[in-house]
This record gives sequence, C-alpha cells and structure tokens, in this order.
Amino acid sequence: EGQLVESGGALVQPGGSLRLSCADSGLSFSEHWMHWIRHVPGKGLEWVSEINLDGTTTDYEGSVRGRFTISRDNAKSTLYLQMNDLRVVDTAVYFCARGPPPQYCTTTRCYINWFDPWGQGTLVTVSS
Amino acid sequence: DIQLTQSPSSLSASVGDRVTITCRAGQSIGNYLNWYQKRPERAPKLLIYAASTLQSGVPSRFTGSGSETDFTLTISDLQPEDFATYYCQESYSSRMYTFGQGTRLEIK
Repeated sequence: EGQLVESGGALVQPGGSLRLSCADSGLSFSEHWMHWIRHVPGKGLEWVSEINLDGTTTDYEGSVRGRFTISRDNAKSTLYLQMNDLRVVDTAVYFCARGPPPQYCTTTRCYINWFDPWGQGTLVTVSS
Repeated sequence: DIQLTQSPSSLSASVGDRVTITCRAGQSIGNYLNWYQKRPERAPKLLIYAASTLQSGVPSRFTGSGSETDFTLTISDLQPEDFATYYCQESYSSRMYTFGQGTRLEIK
C-alpha cells in the first residue's frame, strides 16, 4: 500500500513561510483524496486541509484559509502544504494522510471520510 | 461546526481489563464516526471507521458501536501496546472534519 513520509518542518519566525512535502511510496497516490492534519503539543488533533484527486478542489480549516495552500503532483506522488504568514498557534506536528479507498470517492467529493494511513509527521515550530 | 465530546478525558486500567470510551456528537451524524489511536512519537492509526467497521489489521479486541449522537469504543483484554490516546472523528460535515478532544488511557 505504500508509506507516507513528510518533510520540510522547521523552526520559523512569526510571519515566515514553510513548504511541507509528503511523499507517497505506494502506487495509488492519484486515486486518493489527501489531507493534512496537525497535532498541537499538549492538545488534540486538528484537520487542516484536503485536496481532491486531480488538485482542482481544495478546502481548509478556517484559521488557515488564505494563508495555507495545499497542492499535489501526481506524477511525483507528492503532496504539499505551502504555509505563509505563520503564527505561533500554527506550532504543531503536521501529518499527511490518505482519504478512503477510491470506491468511496469521486473527483468532486467523498461519500464518507477517514484518514488512513498517516505519515510519521514533521514538526513545525513558530517562534521568535 | 459539529462538536464531539469524549469521556472520560483520561482513565487508568490494567493489562487484561476491558475499557469503554464514549464520544457524543452535538448533532446527529448517522454512522459517520471514526476512531484513532495515537501513541507518543507515532503516527495516528485508524482503528474503526463508519462507527463499527474494524480497519484491516486491527485486533478484534477493538470494537466500535453507536449511531446518530452516541458512540463507544470498547477495548477488551487490554494489552501493553494499547495504552495510548484515543480520538473520535466525524466525517458527517463535508470538508470540516472534527476530532474529539482525546481520551488518554494509562496503565494503573
């Protein structure tokens, strides 16, 4: 089924930018909706963003909309998250995750959603 | 936004015990409820999807039940590797997927 491996996390100052990557070693990357989810230290999980099969449909959690951009390169089996105007509250471990199997989704929507598998995460620290 | 409230927030149990974690939704969500396990320094792991369907490869000691607003995750015959934090997650609200606040399961 393949693994997901995130990279790109770092220490950045408030207002800075980062681009996270998520490489999928499997053979079916283009058949899955993909998601970014973050785990804030000492707190819970928070869904961040999703992208459809061909990258034409995206959505975001309210606090990141307008600052973060999700994208994908199906030829490279890689998911991205461009994060601009970073804030201290964005500090978290960022995970990428696959949406459900293809039979539950179309290009425009998934009829049911879950996240599996997840990558190991990459730490983003926003601090001055 | 749909609110998910898990209870308890934490609990202590022993190896071999049976525990139940509850997730209550602020509105009816059918069976659009999933459960995940999060161990320190590990990726979250899907346990149950669609309220009661066991994900492939997950031990049968994990069971999910419920519908509409009230859901439970039961772990029977606790094993050492089960001590972790458990999260419920709803997928009823399209494109705004909410997680519960988590239930930390500790060794007594």
